[in-house]
Amino acid sequence: QSVLTQPPSASGTPGQRVTISCSGRSSNIGNNTVSWYQHLPGTAPKLLIYSNDERPSGVPDRFSGSKSGTSASLAISGLQSEDEANYYCAAWDDSLNGPVFGGGTKLTVL
Amino acid sequence: EVQLVESGGGVVRPGGSLRLSCAASGFTFDDYAMSWVRQVPGKGLEWVSNINWNGSKTGYADSVKGRFTISRDTAKDSLYLQMNSLRAEDTAFYHCARGESWGIPSYFDHWGQGILVTVSS
Repeated sequence: QSVLTQPPSASGTPGQRVTISCSGRSSNIGNNTVSWYQHLPGTAPKLLIYSNDERPSGVPDRFSGSKSGTSASLAISGLQSEDEANYYCAAWDDSLNGPVFGGGTKLTVL
Repeated sequence: EVQLVESGGGVVRPGGSLRLSCAASGFTFDDYAMSWVRQVPGKGLEWVSNINWNGSKTGYADSVKGRFTISRDTAKDSLYLQMNSLRAEDTAFYHCARGESWGIPSYFDHWGQGILVTVSS
């Protein structure tokens, strides 16, 4: 059971916009910043969003993040086939004194 | 280009030990905190341990506290994870990850591909 809650799956057609939610509590998302990662099994996870809504250089602006209270969201617009992957949210947890992750959302591009 | 390459994985019996290594290149190693994050096949990511830039501060997940030890060698630009008293539930891919700065990581900006550790009799 992951500390942060994400839907196990999401899907969309090419060109569509999809959002992935991430729910936590005051000790993690409520009091700290959120990051998002894209991961394909067998590869290195890739940082997509940090500090709630900042994109590292090289990440397309199709990816955007937001946070409100104890929840956060990742939005992907103009969906492409190469976006098919697992997506994880993360935040520091003050109670556990370490970073915590969501259970991951498997995105399928139909 | 930042590169993190893990090694040292394999199959070990319950109760056994294993030492993972992570070779870092493409950046000034002692400017950054480092971490280990694992993924049980088919499951999500789980933080295991972190160490600050000079090794003076470390942190561990409750699931590994007292059994795993993280360390770093600046001369070799390498991160290590000594894993003792291994259990079946420690079976996972172990990723080396770089924190965004020298202290407690708010996020991980570079990751290694991961190395598989299998604990089985």
